[in-house]
Amino acid sequence: GNSVTQMEGPVTLSEEAFLTINCTYTATGYPSLFWYVQYPGEGLQLLLKATKADDKGSNKGFEATYRKETTSFHLEKGSVQVSDSAVYFCALLAGGTSYGKLTFGQGTILTVHP
Amino acid sequence: DTEVTQTPKHLVMGMTNKKSLKCEQHMGHRAMYWYKQKAKKPPELMFVYSYEKLSINESVPSRFSPECPNSSLLNLHLHALQPEDSALYLCASSQDHEGYTFGSGTRLTVV
Repeated sequence: GNSVTQMEGPVTLSEEAFLTINCTYTATGYPSLFWYVQYPGEGLQLLLKATKADDKGSNKGFEATYRKETTSFHLEKGSVQVSDSAVYFCALLAGGTSYGKLTFGQGTILTVHP
Repeated sequence: DTEVTQTPKHLVMGMTNKKSLKCEQHMGHRAMYWYKQKAKKPPELMFVYSYEKLSINESVPSRFSPECPNSSLLNLHLHALQPEDSALYLCASSQDHEGYTFGSGTRLTVV
């Protein structure tokens, strides 16, 4: 079956530090990959996505590259802000379907201090 | 309109009550979903509707009853819930592989 493994948190950084959250996946076929962010008390927001190998998704200074050879989709940001404090979920959607079950990682809690 | 709207935002209900959660989207998405999220955990899929038909039921107890009246609306009817059903209930919609759009959720407390 499909699965997503995220680095365990929580992650605590100082403002302007470099962020990496590791994500690896197991899937048959060619899944689409996503990063979602959940701010306290809110629903999930799509942060970025990649639908095929070597695609780079980017948004709000965050980036992730779909690496099929290492089955990874690591999230990076060069300089984090206090406002980036949230829970980050890596997820995949199996290929070949127009709808289906998003498979989530366990989530990584990020706290950024001033 | 690029949003999924959920109402109510908060709901407290007794174990003998009947209540409904509502979800609406006007993006033309043909797939809609209900997820349940417990604190500090990822969302868990409950139901998927595709073109207004129930496509996936993840073995959810019958005290949860979904309904899709039309392509823009999704309801979740609740009856005789248990305290362990307290959670954040998220609605989402999608089209193809563009990723899901989630609503802000209904925080449900069963007393």
